[in-house]
Amino acid sequence: DSGVTQTPKHLITATGQRVTLRCSPRSGDLSVYWYQQSLDQGLQFLIQYYNGEERAKGNILERFSAQQFPDLHSELNLSSLELGDSALYFCASSVGGTDHQETQYFGPGTRLLVL
Amino acid sequence: QQQVKQSPQSLIVQKGGISIINCAYENTAFDYFPWYQQFPGKGPALLIAIRPDVSEKKEGRFTISFNKSAKQFSLHIMDSQPGDSATYFCAASRLDDKIIFGKGTRLHILP
Repeated sequence: DSGVTQTPKHLITATGQRVTLRCSPRSGDLSVYWYQQSLDQGLQFLIQYYNGEERAKGNILERFSAQQFPDLHSELNLSSLELGDSALYFCASSVGGTDHQETQYFGPGTRLLVL
Repeated sequence: QQQVKQSPQSLIVQKGGISIINCAYENTAFDYFPWYQQFPGKGPALLIAIRPDVSEKKEGRFTISFNKSAKQFSLHIMDSQPGDSATYFCAASRLDDKIIFGKGTRLHILP
């Protein structure tokens, strides 16, 4: 168990809808990273937050947004969902925020299915 | 230039054998090369990592071999066990930049 929690575990929704994925980092970790894992694209970095501030952006679509709250949990919002958004979404956390090379601890993921 | 190419896509090895997974990269600015292990229903977990100033790093039955001139690195799992059956991802990054992952290798160890 990595200490990172994600809810929900599974999510089924329809095209055009909006969903929110939630992540709680390990105790003491200030950084939260979001990743998307799909069969064709593999594991791709979406966005990083450090102590409430956006720190780095990857291949995140404009329809997607994230935030990190004062208690350090994070939410990833996916809107105007398309079939191609079906994937596993992982959250990871690390202690610091300036170095992606610091060990990141991954949560168990949220499996999103868009019908 | 940002890609990390991983092979094979899947691998079947007999118990006790050596599992070898290979990765190649283009960006010579990469200076950190981790390997992640992912079991079904779980998130990836860091297994072992290497920096380009060494050619090999060993942790228990897991060894990374690194060839800087060829821009290749590989994971060797010695005395492979059924419990090693998982998906393995190689990755690379440069300081202050995101980690780029390979597409993964699904490893199955036959009992």
